[in-house]
Amino acid sequence: DSGVTQTPKHLITATGQRVTLRCSPRSGDLSVYWYQQSLDQGLQFLIQYYNGEERAKGNILERFSAQQFPDLHSELNLSSLELGDSALYFCASSALGRDEQFFGPGTRLTVL
Amino acid sequence: AQTVTQSQPEMSVQEAETVTLSCTYDTSESDYYLFWYKQPPSRQMILVIRQEAYKQQNATENRFSVNFQKAAKSFSLKISDSQLGDAAMYFCAYKRVGSQGNLIFGKGTKLSVKP
Repeated sequence: DSGVTQTPKHLITATGQRVTLRCSPRSGDLSVYWYQQSLDQGLQFLIQYYNGEERAKGNILERFSAQQFPDLHSELNLSSLELGDSALYFCASSALGRDEQFFGPGTRLTVL
Repeated sequence: AQTVTQSQPEMSVQEAETVTLSCTYDTSESDYYLFWYKQPPSRQMILVIRQEAYKQQNATENRFSVNFQKAAKSFSLKISDSQLGDAAMYFCAYKRVGSQGNLIFGKGTKLSVKP
């Protein structure tokens, strides 16, 4: 158990819908990262937040957005969902001054 | 842009034997971090080992060790005394130094362990 929690574990929805994925980092970790794992694209970085502020952006679609709240939990919002958005979405966190990232169990999103 | 390449999509090892997984990377930076992550069938991403580029000494964690060749930009993972529980996808990852920096992953190597 990495200490990073993600909810829900599984999500099944239809095209065009909007979903929210939630992540709680390890206690004390200020950085939260979101990654997408799909069969064709592999593991891709989406976005990073540090203590509530957006720190870095990767291959995140405009239909996707994220935020980090004062209690440091983070949410990833995916809207206008398409079949190709079906993937495993991971959240990871890291401590201040540390470079290793610890991953949550992931949320498996299926878009039908 | 940095890239990470794992040239072995699949590998197989006999239980109790040793196996080496390959990883090469490309970067113009002189300082960075390299990691190996394990992803078993449960899909959890588990950190196996990390290496700081400025350290010449190869990292070791119990049965897991790396062979870090900075000039060749090579970072292989050696698993000794392989166990059935080692069966998983293994991902090599690169990260630039600093708090602003995501992991860049290779495509992974699927390791099977035969009893």
